[in-house]
Amino acid sequence: GDSVTQMEGPVTLSEEAFLTINCTYTATGYPSLFWYVQYPGEGLQLLLKATKADDKGSNKGFEATYRKETTSFHLEKGSVQVSDSAVYFCALNRMEYGNKLVFGAGTILRVKS
Amino acid sequence: DAGVIQSPRHEVTEMGQEVTLRCKPISGHDYLFWYRQTMMRGLELLIYFNNNVPIDDSGMPEDRFSAKMPNASFSTLKIQPSEPRDSAVYFCASSLGGAGFNEQFFGPGTRLTVL
Repeated sequence: GDSVTQMEGPVTLSEEAFLTINCTYTATGYPSLFWYVQYPGEGLQLLLKATKADDKGSNKGFEATYRKETTSFHLEKGSVQVSDSAVYFCALNRMEYGNKLVFGAGTILRVKS
Repeated sequence: DAGVIQSPRHEVTEMGQEVTLRCKPISGHDYLFWYRQTMMRGLELLIYFNNNVPIDDSGMPEDRFSAKMPNASFSTLKIQPSEPRDSAVYFCASSLGGAGFNEQFFGPGTRLTVL
């Protein structure tokens, strides 16, 4: 079945450091790919998405590019802030699922000032 | 829009008691999802509905769990009887359309503690 694999955390960075969180997927066909973020004590919220190969999703300084050849969707940010501390989930969806998401395990990011 | 509303936000109960969690999806959304989140198992999809009809309940752990959606604006997740291993944060989410790339909007969650 379809699956999503994320790098294990926690990832601990200093403020203004460069961030990469790796995400790879296994799926048939052409899934849509997502990054969701969960801030402490809150539900998940969509950070960015890409619906086809070579698409780049971006939001709040975060970016991720849909790479079909490497089945990857790595999340990057050039300069992290303390307020970016959260759990980040990579996910995929296929139309056959009817909006059902397949989530990765989540990666904890801690940013120190 | 008020977003997805869940109640209660916190629930503490004793083993063997019945627990009912409630969710009001965003108006107009036709998909509703129930998730459970724990440190050990991460985020698990329990069940989801389309137009109030359960589509996939393969994630429901056992017969003690049941979910209903009597109308487009309300859903419940019931645990009877509850056990300590049911302690978790339960999220409800809703979305519009089934094209495969639509955003899911999550509620704030219900933190359940079973003593």
